[in-house]
Amino acid sequence: KAGVTQTPRYLIKTRGQQVTLSCSPISGHRSVSWYQQTPGQGLQFLFEYFSETQRNKGNFPGRFSGRQFSNSRSEMNVSTLELGDSALYLCASFSTGRNTGELFFGEGSRLTVL
Amino acid sequence: SQKIEQNSEALNIQEGKTATLTCNYTNYSPAYLQWYRQDPGRGPVFLLLIRENEKEKRKERLKVTFDTTLKQSLFHITASQPADSATYLCALDMRDSGYSTLTFGKGTMLLVSP
Repeated sequence: KAGVTQTPRYLIKTRGQQVTLSCSPISGHRSVSWYQQTPGQGLQFLFEYFSETQRNKGNFPGRFSGRQFSNSRSEMNVSTLELGDSALYLCASFSTGRNTGELFFGEGSRLTVL
Repeated sequence: SQKIEQNSEALNIQEGKTATLTCNYTNYSPAYLQWYRQDPGRGPVFLLLIRENEKEKRKERLKVTFDTTLKQSLFHITASQPADSATYLCALDMRDSGYSTLTFGKGTMLLVSP
């Protein structure tokens, strides 16, 4: 069974640009979460999607947005990039119902903003 | 809001010894507490989950305890090996408002020396 796939793995952008990151969850998983990881703040929750609906959102500005498609694939977008947006962006999928709570993470997309 | 503290940023131990990592949280008790392992440049990998009504959970050389009175979880690796060197993350599942979003600690970097 293929794991969670994130693309691109690495990218460099400049301030003011926007970026779109993609996540393909494990087959059969309908829920996807996004996290931002920085050395100073650790893993911070961005949003959670289930069946194309955002059902939870973390404390991030409106520049951070996401969506989920009918095939459960998800994208997140960051507009008007700032230097502080440099981070590892992690996507995680999990089984519907979440009774076990286990998250399956991808390898992440490393974003560098210059 | 919930706050999670992992006892130290780094822990150095000798091979063969038992590593003990601490996770403390404030406010109300989570429904689940989870431990993940993260290697440099990789996404976190799930290790163990313990529920609020469980005191202890074991998996091979790993043991997790959960004390809701102390608001603390201990993560033990017995007979540690250099291959156990990684960052270990504690995560709480708050089950807030019917959603399930993990709140992560910043992690403890474990270094096992030969």
